[in-house]
Amino acid sequence: AQSVTQLDSQVPVFEEAPVELRCNYSSSVSVYLFWYVQYPNQGLQLLLKYLSGSTLVKGINGFEAEFNKSQTSFHLRKPSVHISDTAEYFCAVPGTGGTSYGKLTFGQGTILTVHP
Amino acid sequence: GAVVSQHPSRVICKSGTSVKIECRSLDFQATTMFWYRQFPKKSLMLMATSNEGSKATYEQGVEKDKFLINHASLTLSTLTVTSAHPEDSSFYICSANKLVAGGYYEQYFGPGTRLTVT
Repeated sequence: AQSVTQLDSQVPVFEEAPVELRCNYSSSVSVYLFWYVQYPNQGLQLLLKYLSGSTLVKGINGFEAEFNKSQTSFHLRKPSVHISDTAEYFCAVPGTGGTSYGKLTFGQGTILTVHP
Repeated sequence: GAVVSQHPSRVICKSGTSVKIECRSLDFQATTMFWYRQFPKKSLMLMATSNEGSKATYEQGVEKDKFLINHASLTLSTLTVTSAHPEDSSFYICSANKLVAGGYYEQYFGPGTRLTVT
């Protein structure tokens, strides 16, 4: 079964500073990886995804992530954060039996808090 | 675009009553929708997979008689929490699969429904 582990439950950072949210995956099959963002009391929005090809994936809102097979990681980065980036971020992989990205298995989530 | 809506966004009900939550894909058809539950400060937990025209598939530990799912059309799935109790209070989120370029599916999430059972 595929799974993901988010190593930090909370990440505080000052505005305009860089940030990295860590995600490690466990999979014995082809790897597809996703990052989602959830603003308070809202649903999830896809930030970016890795399906194949280039290991550096660029997403919305200036975020990017790098797929590292040797370290089984898919860390999310942004070079300069804004107050509006304050949200919870989830790393995800397709769940068991999930063909064509059916079910998703989510990590525990990382709350990013950007301070002025 | 790919927009998924949920209705209602918030609902308060009394213990013992039933509540229906709707999930609609507004601009695409979805043969498969998913229902998640999210506890405060927790990740999303998949409850069930809703398949148009067939029975839902429930995850282990989820009571199918308590959480009734109906996927009557390609744009609508409903989750009914029957005989609700305070422990059913939670944030319920649905998602819908959309076929995208390349022949694979991508999930789009609704905005969620906050259920409070008093």
